Amino acid sequence: KQEVTQIPAALSVPEGENLVLNCSFTDSAIYNLQWFRQDPGKGLTSLLLIQSSQREQTSGRLNASLDKSSGRSTLYIAASQPGDSATYLCAVSGGGYQKVTFGTGTKLQVIP
Amino acid sequence: GAVVSQHPSWVICKSGTSVKIECRSLDFQATTMFWYRQFPKQSLMLMATSNEGSKATYEQGVEKDKFLINHASLTLSTLTVTSAHPEDSSFYICSASSRNTGELFFGEGSRLTVL
Repeated sequence: KQEVTQIPAALSVPEGENLVLNCSFTDSAIYNLQWFRQDPGKGLTSLLLIQSSQREQTSGRLNASLDKSSGRSTLYIAASQPGDSATYLCAVSGGGYQKVTFGTGTKLQVIP
Repeated sequence: GAVVSQHPSWVICKSGTSVKIECRSLDFQATTMFWYRQFPKQSLMLMATSNEGSKATYEQGVEKDKFLINHASLTLSTLTVTSAHPEDSSFYICSASSRNTGELFFGEGSRLTVL
């Protein structure tokens, strides 16, 4: 059974700082890995999708890497802003019906 | 990017009534849609996976007779909470999977409160 863990569970940083969020998974036989953000009381917004054959993806100030062999992914956020405050979730897809397993989430607070 | 619309965004109902939540993929065809439940300060819990034109696959512990899922077309899936009780109060979120990339797109969620 796939298990996905995110560290840290919560993070508070001053505005402008670069930061890294970590995601680890136990089964390396994945289809893809996706990073999302969730604002309170809202649905999930897709940030980056990394296919199993890819090593990283970039979008603006966000960069996500994937190391399947070690079961790890990182989300790098450059020059953090207060608007980045949210819960960040990684999700691993694999198996029948594209079964998706979510991580426990990292709650980020960027202090102005 | 692709858009998934979920409706209603919030609903309050009396105990014993049924509530239907709709999930639509607006600009792509979704052969597979997922329904999740989220409790406060917790991650998403997958309830069921639905494929267009076939019966939904429910996760262990999810009552299929209570949470009826219909995926009648490539752009619409519905979740009906039957005979709702206060313990069914939760945040329900749907997602649709892109047939080409497998990327998941989520609706905004529906907050159900059962009195």
